[in-house]
Amino acid sequence: DAGVIQSPRHEVTEMGQEVTLRCKPISGHDYLFWYRQTMMRGLELLIYFNNNVPIDDSGMPEDRFSAKMPNASFSTLKIQPSEPRDSAVYFCASSFVAFEKLFFGSGTQLSVL
Amino acid sequence: GENVEQHPSTLSVQEGDSAVIKCTYSDSASNYFPWYKQELGKGPQLIIDIRSNVGEKKDQRIAVTLNKTAKHFSLHITETQPEDSAVYFCAASTGNQFYFGTGTSLTVIP
Repeated sequence: DAGVIQSPRHEVTEMGQEVTLRCKPISGHDYLFWYRQTMMRGLELLIYFNNNVPIDDSGMPEDRFSAKMPNASFSTLKIQPSEPRDSAVYFCASSFVAFEKLFFGSGTQLSVL
Repeated sequence: GENVEQHPSTLSVQEGDSAVIKCTYSDSASNYFPWYKQELGKGPQLIIDIRSNVGEKKDQRIAVTLNKTAKHFSLHITETQPEDSAVYFCAASTGNQFYFGTGTSLTVIP
């Protein structure tokens, strides 16, 4: 398996624009997680899905953030409108069991100018 | 909620020496403790993990120990090599959430 695949690797956008991050989990993994990493706050869980259903989105910072998982092999994290404080590295991870042996993708480095 | 503390924040060792990173947790419900290695520009990579019913686990040059009574666990890397240089994160899981430590930047000096 190729592991968790995220795209794009880097995204530079202007404040107010819509940003869409994409993730393909490892085949057969039932759980998918979106994390955000910053120097100040470390790794923060934004939302996670089980069998394509959102289970806990309490980490989503604002209504500007939304996530979907239309099928078992694809998920998106959308920010609309984006703000400079959204600049961070966003990771997608997947696992067989909730919160055990999470496998992370390479991340998307987002810069909002 | 759970609180995971990790020390030290930075660590420099000579190649071939051992490195030890320590973490403490607060929630006695935590029962799974993974360690992740993150290289520059990459995502965290699981390198070893341990469950609460096990005191020690070893995989080649890497070992993890767990003291449930004291609520602390440690990562031990022996015979360090330059490619071990990275940021290491510990985590504690209750099954409902991952709680990450703040990370240790390890530098192995050739």
